[in-house]
Amino acid sequence: AQKVTQAQTEISVVEKEDVTLDCVYETRDTTYYLFWYKQPPSGELVFLIRRNSFDEQNEISGRYSWNFQKSTSSFNFTITASQVVDSAVYFCALSESLLTGANSKLTFGKGITLSVRP
Amino acid sequence: NAGVTQTPKFRVLKTGQSMTLLCAQDMNHEYMYWYRQDPGMGLRLIHYSVGEGTTAKGEVPDGYNVSRLKKQNFLLGLESAAPSQTSVYFCASRRLAGGPYEQYFGPGTRLTVT
Repeated sequence: AQKVTQAQTEISVVEKEDVTLDCVYETRDTTYYLFWYKQPPSGELVFLIRRNSFDEQNEISGRYSWNFQKSTSSFNFTITASQVVDSAVYFCALSESLLTGANSKLTFGKGITLSVRP
Repeated sequence: NAGVTQTPKFRVLKTGQSMTLLCAQDMNHEYMYWYRQDPGMGLRLIHYSVGEGTTAKGEVPDGYNVSRLKKQNFLLGLESAAPSQTSVYFCASRRLAGGPYEQYFGPGTRLTVT
């Protein structure tokens, strides 16, 4: 069975600090996708990034970067120079065997609440 | 293009009442999902559908029923609401194949059962 662990539950930083959100996953599949979603105080879930199991390249998008390491089953998310608008709950999620209908489900971690103080 | 919409946004039920939550998507997605979100629990899958006329149980299906009579709609029903079903409910959809594989979420329905 697949599992996603986000050991950090709440993180508080001061604006402009860098912060890393950890995500560790478990799966027996060799083909899988990892995702990060953001849930701001308004409540909607916003897709941030998708990474497949064959692509271990790190990705940077503005102040956001993601580090995928299969050797440690981790997919960590770093926000550089954090801003108050980054305050949200961040979810890491895993989906196995996307080409098989029965396994098209997303398994979410419990989320990390990030508070960025001015 | 509205994406994924959910009706209603808020609802208060009394124990034992029934209701149906409606999810609609205009992206022609094959897969649709219903999740519930509870504090400290993340999102948990209730039921999902891989196509019109088909549904399957997720992680926490008890107390809920679903139907997918049209490709664009996915209904979640509570036949006899219980306080334990107080939660925020999210609907999501995604394409069958050919990417991208991320799920797109609706804005959520906040349900309180008293």
